[in-house]
Amino acid sequence: NAGVMQNPRHLVRRRGQEARLRCSPMKGHSHVYWYRQLPEEGLKFMVYLQKENIIDESGMPKERFSAEFPKEGPSILRIQQVVRGDSAAYFCASSSPGTGSTKVQFFGPGTRLTVL
Amino acid sequence: QKEVEQNSGPLSVPEGAIASLNCTYSDRGSQSFFWYRQYSGKSPELIMFIYSNGDKEDGRFTAQLNKASQYVSLLIRDSQPSDSATYLCAVNFNTGGFKTIFGAGTRLFVKA
Repeated sequence: NAGVMQNPRHLVRRRGQEARLRCSPMKGHSHVYWYRQLPEEGLKFMVYLQKENIIDESGMPKERFSAEFPKEGPSILRIQQVVRGDSAAYFCASSSPGTGSTKVQFFGPGTRLTVL
Repeated sequence: QKEVEQNSGPLSVPEGAIASLNCTYSDRGSQSFFWYRQYSGKSPELIMFIYSNGDKEDGRFTAQLNKASQYVSLLIRDSQPSDSATYLCAVNFNTGGFKTIFGAGTRLFVKA
């Protein structure tokens, strides 16, 4: 499967626990984007990463949320001390390297986070 | 603040008709534009992208871009019930990191 992979597909956490969401980009892609989608709402940009580098994190909440894309392994979106308002679908997308605003993003299947 | 606006709908068309979906954006410096389709409970799926003014056709889909009016549209010819989904307009802004902003989406219903 050469597409964008995300795991887990469904994640249930109790308030105060930590959530770790993983994303493996499409083969040949080195840029990763994370989005959050609340029910019946649009996609909200969170963060844009290259390997070992955060390019734009302007959509990330200031507290409890962090993201990384190490040299080896998947990109990880980490949510500490989850609250009910964090319940949402989290989508990862990847694009090819290089410059230019024409880069097309391809999406993974998403992780549905439910906070009890 | 950079914005992408879409009519939330729902837009209802009969089977076989042309569905017209519209999107406006706020930043004249925007360079590339994308249409995604999202079925309920699924992830967004790329339909088309367009960079230049004018029309771009791919099968039953035509994207139209007018940079002077800051307007991009998607036409779906011979609409089918399987086209019923939410259509997301996305715009890449030249912020140095080329952040992509998505519109809230337009729900399309194609009645058999």
